[in-house]
Amino acid sequence: AQKVTQAQTEISVVEKEDVTLDCVYETRDTTYYLFWYKQPPSGELVFLIRRNSFDEQNEISGRYSWNFQKSTSSFNFTITASQVVDSAVYFCALSEAGNYGGSQGNLIFGKGTKLSVKP
Amino acid sequence: GAGVSQSPSNKVTEKGKDVELRCDPISGHTALYWYRQRLGQGLEFLIYFQGNSAPDKSGLPSDRFSAERTGESVSTLTIQRTQQEDSAVYLCASSLVGLAGGTGELFFGEGSRLTVL
Repeated sequence: AQKVTQAQTEISVVEKEDVTLDCVYETRDTTYYLFWYKQPPSGELVFLIRRNSFDEQNEISGRYSWNFQKSTSSFNFTITASQVVDSAVYFCALSEAGNYGGSQGNLIFGKGTKLSVKP
Repeated sequence: GAGVSQSPSNKVTEKGKDVELRCDPISGHTALYWYRQRLGQGLEFLIYFQGNSAPDKSGLPSDRFSAERTGESVSTLTIQRTQQEDSAVYLCASSLVGLAGGTGELFFGEGSRLTVL
C-alpha cells in the first residue's frame, strides 16, 4: 500500500542551525514522484520540489537540499542555516504512476513536520 | 485572478445541513484536485478532475460527498447532511497538467474552513 511517513511531528531549532526533515515512503510502483510542500502559518501550501523515481541525484536550491535514496525509500529535506521564516509545517508527498491501482491524481501526503525556528 | 480562489473562506453550519464549496482554478489549468485537511493532520485526497476525463472519485469518504467541474473551470464540492466529523479545511488545487507532467506543481487555494456544529 502507498504510504508516506514523517516520523518527526515537531522540531524546534535555533536560527542558523541546520535541520533535516525525514520522509520515508512505501509504494509498489516502479514509477513514482516525490514532493515536498511547505505550509506556513498563513495556511497556503507552497510547492518546493518534485523528484521522479528514476532520478536519484540530490538537489540543492539555495539553503534547501534534498537527499533521495531508493535503497532506504527515503526523501529527506535539509534546511541549512535555518531562519525564522522557515517556520512552517512541511509535508512530504507521493504520487504513483498508477500501475498498481493507485490514482494518478492522488497525491498521498505524510502527516507533516512542524518546524519552529527561534531567533 | 492570479491564483486558485476558494469560497467561502469560512463556513459554519448546523449538523444535517448541506454545504457547497467553490473553487476557481488558475485559468488554463486542466487538472483540479480537492483535499481535506483536518486539524493538525496531513492532506486527505478527495477527488481529481483532469480535462474531460471521468473524475477520480476514489477519495470521497461517503456518498454524502460529491463534486462537479464545468469543463476546465469552476468546481463545486457538495457535502450533504453534514456531520461534525466533516469539520475541516477543504483545499482545492490546480495544475497545468497532471502530477507527472511539467514540474508537477500543484497550486493550492487558501482553503474553505468548514465547521459543523
